[in-house]
Amino acid sequence: AQSVTQLDSQVPVFEEAPVELRCNYSSSVSVYLFWYVQYPNQGLQLLLKYLSGSTLVKGINGFEAEFNKSQTSFHLRKPSVHISDTAEYFCAVRRSGPGAGSYQLTFGKGTKLSVIP
Amino acid sequence: GAGVSQSPSNKVTEKGKDVELRCDPISGHTALYWYRQSLGQGLEFLIYFQGNSAPDKSGLPSDRFSAERTGGSVSTLTIQRTQQEDSAVYLCASSSQGTAANYGYTFGSGTRLTVV
Repeated sequence: AQSVTQLDSQVPVFEEAPVELRCNYSSSVSVYLFWYVQYPNQGLQLLLKYLSGSTLVKGINGFEAEFNKSQTSFHLRKPSVHISDTAEYFCAVRRSGPGAGSYQLTFGKGTKLSVIP
Repeated sequence: GAGVSQSPSNKVTEKGKDVELRCDPISGHTALYWYRQSLGQGLEFLIYFQGNSAPDKSGLPSDRFSAERTGGSVSTLTIQRTQQEDSAVYLCASSSQGTAANYGYTFGSGTRLTVV
């Protein structure tokens, strides 16, 4: 089984400042990693994903994340945030191979990013 | 359709009543998932459908919860004898493959269920 820990439930940051949202995972098998964003009253939208290859992954809206296998982390970063980035962000994992439950995404509890003007 | 469609968007029901939540996935997506999002609890997996295979119901919290998928397309999540702890946002997602998938899901906007 996999588990995901998002270390910060809320992160306030001033507009145009950099931000890092932390995500750590636990798994006994290889995993794929995802970040999703949820704007108010909307569903989840995929920001980026790590499947294999380069550990630095770039996504939409200027976000990027770095996979660190030794630290079992997949932190999300943006060098300069905008008001429109205010949302809740979810880290998720799924096992990378076939097998029972391999399709199932396991989510963290989310981090609410508030961008302050 | 262009995206995953869920209805209703909001549902208020009295404790003890039954409710049905509908999900219309992206056309051609063979995999369909239901998740529950409770305040402060993240997203909880409920059930997974893949093509004509038997669904994985391992995430359903009690026998009051059931789901079906007709014709490999539209899915209905039914909650019988609703309780206040069932209040949550119910999210549906679909993807183009099942166990071999490495793609992110496409989520609907969810149904916000409030049991009073």
